Amino acid sequence: DIQMTQSPSSVSASVGDRVTITCRASQDISRWLAWYQQKPGKAPQLLIYAASSLQSGVPSRFSGSGSGTEFTLTISNLQPEDFATYYCQRANSFPPLAFGGGTKVEI
Amino acid sequence: EVQLVESGGDVVQPGGSLRLSCAASGFTFDDYAMHWVRQRPGKRPEWVSLIAWDGGLKYYADSVKGRFTISRDNNKNFLYLHMNSLKDEDTALYYCAKDKNSGNYYFDSWGQGTLVTVSS
Repeated sequence: DIQMTQSPSSVSASVGDRVTITCRASQDISRWLAWYQQKPGKAPQLLIYAASSLQSGVPSRFSGSGSGTEFTLTISNLQPEDFATYYCQRANSFPPLAFGGGTKVEI
Repeated sequence: EVQLVESGGDVVQPGGSLRLSCAASGFTFDDYAMHWVRQRPGKRPEWVSLIAWDGGLKYYADSVKGRFTISRDNNKNFLYLHMNSLKDEDTALYYCAKDKNSGNYYFDSWGQGTLVTVSS
């Protein structure tokens, strides 16, 4: 199975900061990658799909890039509601559909 | 507005069985593949199973293959997960999730989850 590895596992940031999270695949997954945001006690929410496509209703301060084995999620101008855990997920080579280990964005 | 409401979670002994349900509304249910995804406390989500829009194709994670069965009722807009031979490691919050139907598998709507606890 293709493994997904995120870094860092946690990051401390302040409102207004730019935060970058990296996700690496153990094999080439083209652009078949999604990013999700999860707040405590809530289900994950789709932010980005196909590596860089913004899901409807998601603020434009969220952006994704990358292809092959390395991907990034960037949050520009971090807002208080953005403090959460972020997961990447590969969407190809199915089954299974694997998630990364998560990155907690905290103050 | 898409709504997914799971139910059926409970405390069950190892080796026991359970059926989870997911009531779907706000979209044309039989246009979309559907998934079950679970999450243990403090852990990453784990995909469990997928069913095609018509129920014709079903896939499972290796960890549940042969023990879990996914099904759907397109007349009632319900998704199900039949869980047999439950193990301690099946303890998790189980979410149903709608597939984005974009050619690959993304989860664009999730329910609130239903908790399954396997314990003696």
